[in-house]
Amino acid sequence: QPVLTQPPSASASLGASVTLTCTLSSGYSNYQVDWYQQRPGKGPRFVMRVGTGGIVGSKGDGIPDRFSVLGSGLNRYLTIKNIQEEDESDYHCGADHGSGSNFVYVFGTGTKVTVL
Amino acid sequence: EVQLLESGGGLVQPGGSLRLSCAASGFTFSNYGMGWVRQAPGKGLEWVSGISGGGGSTYYADSVKGRFTISRDNSKNTLYLQMNSLRAEDTALYYCAKSGCSSTSCKWDYWGQGTLVTVSS
Repeated sequence: QPVLTQPPSASASLGASVTLTCTLSSGYSNYQVDWYQQRPGKGPRFVMRVGTGGIVGSKGDGIPDRFSVLGSGLNRYLTIKNIQEEDESDYHCGADHGSGSNFVYVFGTGTKVTVL
Repeated sequence: EVQLLESGGGLVQPGGSLRLSCAASGFTFSNYGMGWVRQAPGKGLEWVSGISGGGGSTYYADSVKGRFTISRDNSKNTLYLQMNSLRAEDTALYYCAKSGCSSTSCKWDYWGQGTLVTVSS
């Protein structure tokens, strides 16, 4: 099954941009990845799914246009432009793997985003 | 509006059992896969279990296989997680999540607020 690697932290000044990276382990370059936002003390919220061709399907409910994704090789990126205070959250990536009795869903360790 | 409301968490001794429930509303429950995801204090997310819309297919993380059982009652729009032989490492906030399709091979597009399970003597 894939391993998803995320840096533990990232930061950006109010109004600037930040790009988060989720790296798939070798051999899984065709996998799609889901991004989730988790504000402090809240449950996760689906942001969007990304493959090598970019967004797959539609964004989650209420996700602003300043959130976008790209995919390249083993990396899946989430970019937040014009970052706002309410974007300060933990961001998790996840991916499904396998089928039938071998199905699993794996998460990365999450990136904490701080708005300066 | 999709709503997922978990209940049933609490303090339980090691080796004990607990049953979590998730009451769903705002969508046709039987059309969608559902799942449980947990988060230990200060840690990341860990997928625990999933079930297809009809309930015929169930999936488990290796860490809970043989101890936890997921089920659903589509007539009551409710998802369950029966947790047996609980261990200290099962201590976590347990989230109920809705899949974006009838299986579980889709994004988890809606989540509840979680119910806390503490395993301690």
